[in-house]
Amino acid sequence: GENVEQHPSTLSVQEGDSAVIKCTYSDSASNYFPWYKQELGKRPQLIIDIRSNVGEKKDQRIAVTLNKTAKHFSLHITETQPEDSAVYFCAIPRGRDDKIIFGKGTRLHILP
Amino acid sequence: DAGITQSPRHKVTETGTPVTLRCHQTENHRYMYWYRQDPGHGLRLIHYSYGVKDTDKGEVSDGYSVSRSKTEDFLLTLESATSSQTSVYFCAISESSPELYEQYFGPGTRLTVT
Repeated sequence: GENVEQHPSTLSVQEGDSAVIKCTYSDSASNYFPWYKQELGKRPQLIIDIRSNVGEKKDQRIAVTLNKTAKHFSLHITETQPEDSAVYFCAIPRGRDDKIIFGKGTRLHILP
Repeated sequence: DAGITQSPRHKVTETGTPVTLRCHQTENHRYMYWYRQDPGHGLRLIHYSYGVKDTDKGEVSDGYSVSRSKTEDFLLTLESATSSQTSVYFCAISESSPELYEQYFGPGTRLTVT
């Protein structure tokens, strides 16, 4: 079945530095790659997504890169700020049965 | 936030009792999902619905059942609650296939089974 590996599980970076979170998947048919952010006590919310016809997408300080050949996609956060502290999830929707598999999450700590 | 609510928001129940959680949406989205969130496991799909009366199992469906008699409501029932079902439950909606559209999550229900 579909498998999604997300690394690291915990990440601490100094405020102002960059953070990178990576997800590896197994289903080569996947074509949509979203990232969700969940702040403490809140619901997950989409922050950025990418489709398989592009290799990179940016939105201000966040970006997602996709390598379909190697079957991995990554979330990049630059110039990190305290409000970036949260848990981040990648997800792989499965078009053939409308299910969606989430990674186990990365807890990002921004250190002052 | 998208028009999606969950009730109750918190519940404490005893082992062996039935429990029903409700997800209500005002977006007229076709797809609805139930997830549970536990430390170290992320979000795991319990059941989902792709239309009225159309449902399917997710990866952790044992001990749970669902019903969707109206577009706006998706009910999750724990037929006989166990302590292992203590968790935070999130409902999510999607306009259409998750391969095409993002998911919007409800605020969550914290369930404790004693």
